[in-house]
Amino acid sequence: DGGITQSPKYLFRKEGQNVTLSCEQNLNHDAMYWYRQDPGQGLRLIYYSQIVNDFQKGDIAEGYSVSREKKESFPLTVTSAQKNPTAFYLCASSAPGLAGDYEQYFGPGTRLTVT
Amino acid sequence: RKEVEQDPGPFNVPEGATVAFNCTYSNSASQSFFWYRQDCRKEPKLLMSVYSSGNEDGRFTAQLNRASQYISLLIRDSKLSDSATYLCVVNRRRDDKIIFGKGTRLHILP
Repeated sequence: DGGITQSPKYLFRKEGQNVTLSCEQNLNHDAMYWYRQDPGQGLRLIYYSQIVNDFQKGDIAEGYSVSREKKESFPLTVTSAQKNPTAFYLCASSAPGLAGDYEQYFGPGTRLTVT
Repeated sequence: RKEVEQDPGPFNVPEGATVAFNCTYSNSASQSFFWYRQDCRKEPKLLMSVYSSGNEDGRFTAQLNRASQYISLLIRDSKLSDSATYLCVVNRRRDDKIIFGKGTRLHILP
């Protein structure tokens, strides 16, 4: 089955530790994205990548880092510099649809809790 | 003005009723429009794209009004399972930036 996987579903870390969230897709999509969602809030873009070995900062990139060494993978590292890391993290990928628009497909998300 | 705005709701609607809500966008260069559905503590899932001529998928109808810069979603014969948050998504194809609204919460009441 084609899709996007994120693991783990729930992740608990102590403050001051870096943590890496995985995102893998087998949809052959060029573009991948990381979002953060806080309770009762919309999605905020952290980083995105249109192609392998290239990525751009989104609206809230501070305290995060990414890599895109393979088309299928776009891991996100939450560093100790991120002030409020506890959130629901969503990975997505996209490719041009039939109408030329870019539909996004989401993974199931990772709930990160930092104490 | 925010790039994409939605009424957060919640909209409490009896089962079987018709409900509609809008989403306004500020950038006239916006090219692609979508409605996503998000259930509590789950990932967003694509409900439907919104085309210039309007489009329908079963009980759901989406419309685009470029002159007034809004898109709409209409749900007919609402079901309990329609209870969710509906996210408006706008894509400026020129720089591939995708903007999500904060969502409208819909509760269908038995």
